[in-house]
Amino acid sequence: AQKITQTQPGMFVQEKEAVTLDCTYDTSDQSYGLFWYKQPSSGEMIFLIYQGSYDEQNATEGRYSLNFQKARKSANLVISASQLGDSAMYFCAMREGRTGTASKLTFGTGTRLQVTL
Amino acid sequence: NAGVTQTPKFQVLKTGQSMTLQCAQDMNHEYMSWYRQDPGMGLRLIHYSVGAGITDQGEVPNGYNVSRSTTEDFPLRLLSAAPSQTSVYFCASSYTTRTDSPLHFGNGTRLTVT
Repeated sequence: AQKITQTQPGMFVQEKEAVTLDCTYDTSDQSYGLFWYKQPSSGEMIFLIYQGSYDEQNATEGRYSLNFQKARKSANLVISASQLGDSAMYFCAMREGRTGTASKLTFGTGTRLQVTL
Repeated sequence: NAGVTQTPKFQVLKTGQSMTLQCAQDMNHEYMSWYRQDPGMGLRLIHYSVGAGITDQGEVPNGYNVSRSTTEDFPLRLLSAAPSQTSVYFCASSYTTRTDSPLHFGNGTRLTVT
C-alpha cells in the first residue's frame, strides 16, 4: 500500500482564491511527522510546513495551513490568497518514528498547482 | 551558509560508464539521503545514512553505492550506468532522524544516460 497518496495530479486556482491540496497517509506508528514541500519550475525543493502526529492544533505558516484529520489519516495543505508565484509542484511527505528503525521521509507523487489570473 | 551542495548540476553518460554524484552539507546534519525523481513517481529513496560509517538501502538501491566517511559528505556512485537511471537526483539532509526534523535539499543533478 502507498504510504502517501496525493490523488490530484493537477489543480487550477484563480489568483487570490484559496486552494486545498489533498494528502492521505498510511502508517501504524503512533509517532510520525507530516511535511509539505514546494517544487517550482526551477527545480529546488522548498520546505513549507510541518505537522506532528501528537499536535492538537493545525500547523500554520503564513498563507499555508495544514488541515490535519488524524482519524481520517489526512493532512491537506491549504493555501490562502493564492499568488502567481504559488504555481509549482507540491509534495506531501511523512517521516515515521518506529523505534529501532531509521526515520526515513516518504513522498507522495505530487500535485501540480497552476494559479491563473 | 552553503547548506546542501550537489555537483554536478547536469551530466550525460553513456551506458556502462560509472560516475559519482557529490553531496556535501555544512550544517552538521546527522542524517543524509539520496532520492531520485521521475515524472509521475514523486521522490524515491535510494540510500540513506544516519551518521558517519553507517549507510542503508532505501526503496530503489540497485545500481547505486554510497559511503559516508565523514559527517559532511555523502557521495552516490553509479557503478555501470543504464538508461533507466536517467533521472533527477536529489541529496537531502536533516539535523536528526527525529520525526519532526525536515529534510534540506540540494539543488539536484539532472542525469541523462544514453
